[in-house]
Amino acid sequence: NSKVIQTPRYLVKGQGQKAKMRCIPEKGHPVVFWYQQNKNNEFKFLINFQNQEVLQQIDMTEKRFSAECPSNSPCSLEIQSSEAGDSALYLCASSSTANTGQLYFGEGSKLTVL
Amino acid sequence: GDSVTQTEGLVTLTEGLPVMLNCTYQTIYSNPFLFWYVQHLNESPRLLLKSFTDNKRTEHQGFHATLHKSSSSFHLQKSSAQLSDSALYYCALSGSNNRIFFGDGTQLVVKP
Repeated sequence: NSKVIQTPRYLVKGQGQKAKMRCIPEKGHPVVFWYQQNKNNEFKFLINFQNQEVLQQIDMTEKRFSAECPSNSPCSLEIQSSEAGDSALYLCASSSTANTGQLYFGEGSKLTVL
Repeated sequence: GDSVTQTEGLVTLTEGLPVMLNCTYQTIYSNPFLFWYVQHLNESPRLLLKSFTDNKRTEHQGFHATLHKSSSSFHLQKSSAQLSDSALYYCALSGSNNRIFFGDGTQLVVKP
């Protein structure tokens, strides 16, 4: 059973609507990654955090996507204005280190944009 | 930039035959970490193997891989496929920055 908790498991949004997903990392893991897994099962890195600080993010994330990992609260990934191409499984993973540790994945939040 | 290439999108083989899934990578970092993750249907990915030591074989659950920096490869192998090995396999790289890059994945289908 996954110790990384993602909610909600499923999201259905209309184009232009906001979509927000949350992630509680495994206890003691300071690093959180967000990936997008599309219908072809391809993984795309979106953003990662160490504690509350952004380590890396891609251009897509800088525009319509926003993410945060506040202290003592779940991490979140929000799409400000959903597009059909955003339909995917959004996977959160946590790790003890940024680049050498094992990633522990949550079960994902499946977003469908109608 | 860093990248991972998995040349096979789909590998289909008969139970009992050997498995080899290809993975090559590109990075400017001289000490990359390489990983294999496995994702079974309707499950999240989980780590299968990882390595950062050149030319050292790493094994887990019957699978093995050896990081070869000279050829930038980290191929996944198993001597005898089982039906339960059917899954998506991802090679991943941690290289010159704080990202972990995944290849496009190889779907392994093992038939009786």
